[in-house]
Amino acid sequence: KNEVEQSPQNLTAQEGEFITINCSYSVGISALHWLQQHPGGGIVSLFMLSSGKKKHGRLIATINIQEKHSSLHITASHPRDSAVYICAVTGQGAQKLVFGQGTRLTINP
Amino acid sequence: DVKVTQSSRYLVKRTGEKVFLECVQDMDHENMFWYRQDPGLGLRLIYFSYDVKMKEKGDIPEGYSVSREKKERFSLILESASTNQTSMYLCASSLRLAGYEQYFGPGTRLTVT
Repeated sequence: KNEVEQSPQNLTAQEGEFITINCSYSVGISALHWLQQHPGGGIVSLFMLSSGKKKHGRLIATINIQEKHSSLHITASHPRDSAVYICAVTGQGAQKLVFGQGTRLTINP
Repeated sequence: DVKVTQSSRYLVKRTGEKVFLECVQDMDHENMFWYRQDPGLGLRLIYFSYDVKMKEKGDIPEGYSVSREKKERFSLILESASTNQTSMYLCASSLRLAGYEQYFGPGTRLTVT
């Protein structure tokens, strides 16, 4: 079992829909990261959080430390949100990120 | 804005060639990382460096080496490229190790024939 599990692996939705991507992890962490990768390769860090909730524009990330679970929400989704979203964690005392497999999101117009 | 650049977006090499992938960051970050990304396997850490001339093995270091002679530059070396090293290679940097954002370069898609 991977230390970081994401669901779903693939998600297709219509423009305007509310999107939720989930991430569960099995280790104690110091931080959880949400990353976005558009076709072509480049990865952008969306959020880094260790508790509570963060919001940036139409994106919201939440984390429940007790349940070892995080969600990434996208409100009013748009085709430009189509990308792979990757969850990653830094274990307590660890130096490295551990990555989930990614969720491929496609938003159709 | 942090900028991480990689020397090539696409590279085609022959089996047995020595391959250099270069990464440069412009924000005086202490830490730099090399990952490879393969379908179904996600991102995997090859090596990282926490200071000039310092390096540590990641999860899949076999067949690779690295060099960090200057703080801003981190090189990944494939001593003798093999077809199973065909992959997307991503460089990243962060200010510190644990709990800091990593900033990624655009990636180099390497094909070994």
